[in-house]
Amino acid sequence: DTEVTQTPKHLVMGMTNKKSLKCEQHMGHRAMYWYKQKAKKPPELMFVYSYEKLSINESVPSRFSPECPNSSLLNLHLHALQPEDSALYLCASSRPGEPQHFGDGTRLSIL
Amino acid sequence: AQSVTQPDIHITVSEGASLELRCNYSYGATPYLFWYVQSPGQGLQLLLKYFSGDTLVQGIKGFEAEFKRSQSSFNLRKPSVHWSDAAEYFCAVVALGAGNNRKLIWGLGTSLAVNP
Repeated sequence: DTEVTQTPKHLVMGMTNKKSLKCEQHMGHRAMYWYKQKAKKPPELMFVYSYEKLSINESVPSRFSPECPNSSLLNLHLHALQPEDSALYLCASSRPGEPQHFGDGTRLSIL
Repeated sequence: AQSVTQPDIHITVSEGASLELRCNYSYGATPYLFWYVQSPGQGLQLLLKYFSGDTLVQGIKGFEAEFKRSQSSFNLRKPSVHWSDAAEYFCAVVALGAGNNRKLIWGLGTSLAVNP
């Protein structure tokens, strides 16, 4: 297996900015995930895509907008974020019933 | 409801000493169990998994874990710790959610420090 690649590694943005996080995998996994992780805490599930369709939205505020353009790509569009949204955002992918493979995350800071 | 408990928030061991990290789960059916490790500034790496079969599971980096149904436990062990093992360790169980979706239920993690 290869890896899950996330870009950018670090992102600083103001509360009025619009930015996007990108995640890419070439392992043929058809489930892709977005997590938010605060320091010293476990990841919190945000969204799950299964076969490019949104299957789980964990009541995430609308200022976070996921997109799955194809089976290898997953984006997270950000707009009008709040300081409490500063965190590590992790992407993961998996085959059905198999463990999730995680990227190294994007460290997001909101000014 | 499904849950995972890691009783130890922080553990410190000396390099070369043995290690055991505890994990207890609450789940009605046969659980799918995982241990992940997270080094500072990194994502989560799968150490090992238990789906079924042999209750002693071997993982990467010299780690192993034993599934004990009677104790609802899945403790992680390593016979001799290396300084590079200092990290955050998470135990997780797969649970069925709404719409037959599966998601991971995480423990709060155990932070491991290794003294030289």
